[in-house]
Amino acid sequence: DGGITQSPKYLFRKEGQNVTLSCEQNLNHDAMYWYRQDPGQGLRLIYYSQIVNDFQKGDIAEGYSVSREKKESFPLTVTSAQKNPTAFYLCASSITQGKGYTFGSGTRLTVV
Amino acid sequence: QKEVEQDPGPLSVPEGAIVSLNCTYSNSAFQYFMWYRQYSRKGPELLMYTYSSGNKEDGRFTAQVDKSSKYISLFIRDSQPSDSATYLCAIAAGNKLTFGGGTRVLVKP
Repeated sequence: DGGITQSPKYLFRKEGQNVTLSCEQNLNHDAMYWYRQDPGQGLRLIYYSQIVNDFQKGDIAEGYSVSREKKESFPLTVTSAQKNPTAFYLCASSITQGKGYTFGSGTRLTVV
Repeated sequence: QKEVEQDPGPLSVPEGAIVSLNCTYSNSAFQYFMWYRQYSRKGPELLMYTYSSGNKEDGRFTAQVDKSSKYISLFIRDSQPSDSATYLCAIAAGNKLTFGGGTRVLVKP
């Protein structure tokens, strides 16, 4: 079955550490996205990529980095520069940008 | 002012009632309108997708778009306890998708 796989489901980070969240899709979608979701708030766009080896900052990119070396994969690194990283992170993909997205099941990141 | 406004709820209804959800938006360039359902600790799943003013039905779900008022709605008929979730509107213009904050819905048996 086609879909998006995010791992791990739960992740704990110590202060000052970088952590990487995995996102893999087998839908053959060109566009991929990372969103952050906080309680009571909507989804906020961190980074997006329309094609391999290309990505753009979203609304809240500070403290995050991404890569897009393969069409299927779009990992997100939460760096130590991100001061409030505790949140639910969602990866999504779409055939073309701006249309209906398919989401992964999310990664819940907690700073300990 | 947020580009897409959505009442956070919670909205509590008895089983079998009609659930009425709505969003307002400010950017008249928005072209595509979507509704997502999100269960707790899960990713959102696409429920409805439309790009024109008017109504679109899919089973128990009806999406309504009024571009002149910049207002979109989702109606759920014969609501079931399994419909209890957070519903997010999402609106696209060109290469950007903007989400509302979501409305939490609770359908009581």
